[in-house]
Amino acid sequence: EDQVTQSPEALRLQEGESSSLNCSYTVSGLRGLFWYRQDPGKGPEFLFTLYSAGEEKEKERLKATLTKKESFLHITAPKPEDSATYLCAVQAQGDYKLSFGAGTTVTVRA
Amino acid sequence: GAVVSQHPSWVICKSGTSVKIECRSLDFQATTMFWYRQFPKQSLMLMATSNEGSKATYEQGVEKDKFLINHASLTLSTLTVTSAHPEDSSFYICSASTSGSYEQYFGPGTRLTVT
Repeated sequence: EDQVTQSPEALRLQEGESSSLNCSYTVSGLRGLFWYRQDPGKGPEFLFTLYSAGEEKEKERLKATLTKKESFLHITAPKPEDSATYLCAVQAQGDYKLSFGAGTTVTVRA
Repeated sequence: GAVVSQHPSWVICKSGTSVKIECRSLDFQATTMFWYRQFPKQSLMLMATSNEGSKATYEQGVEKDKFLINHASLTLSTLTVTSAHPEDSSFYICSASTSGSYEQYFGPGTRLTVT
């Protein structure tokens, strides 16, 4: 069974204080690892898909990296609007289902 | 592109009644749709997967007679919670993908409260 573990559970940052979120996973043949942002009371918003170890993707202040066992979401110089829950999910080869981690709730104070 | 809507965004119903939630893909054809449930401060748990014109495939532990899923067209899937009880109160989220694509696009969610 696919397993996704995210840490830390919560992260409080000062504006401009860079940090990283971790997503550890076990899956029988990874097809893709997904990062989503979820605001309270809303559906997940797609951020990145990573397909192979060594791959990196960037979007504004966010950068996602992937190894064979984990993924990191780096937040550089965060702003209060980056406050959200960040979800990691994996998809096994040949499967359409996503297995989600519990998320990391990031709070950025001005 | 790839916009998914849900209706209603929130609903309150009495215990024992049924409630239907709609999920629509607005600008693409959704051959596969997924229904998730999310409890407060927890992650998304997949309930079922449906392909257009076929019966839904339910995850282990999800009662198919209680959560009726219909995917009658390439742009619409519905989830009906039958004989709802307070423990069914949750945030229900749908997602959709197109033929040959593994990407899922999520709707904004529906907050169900059963009193």
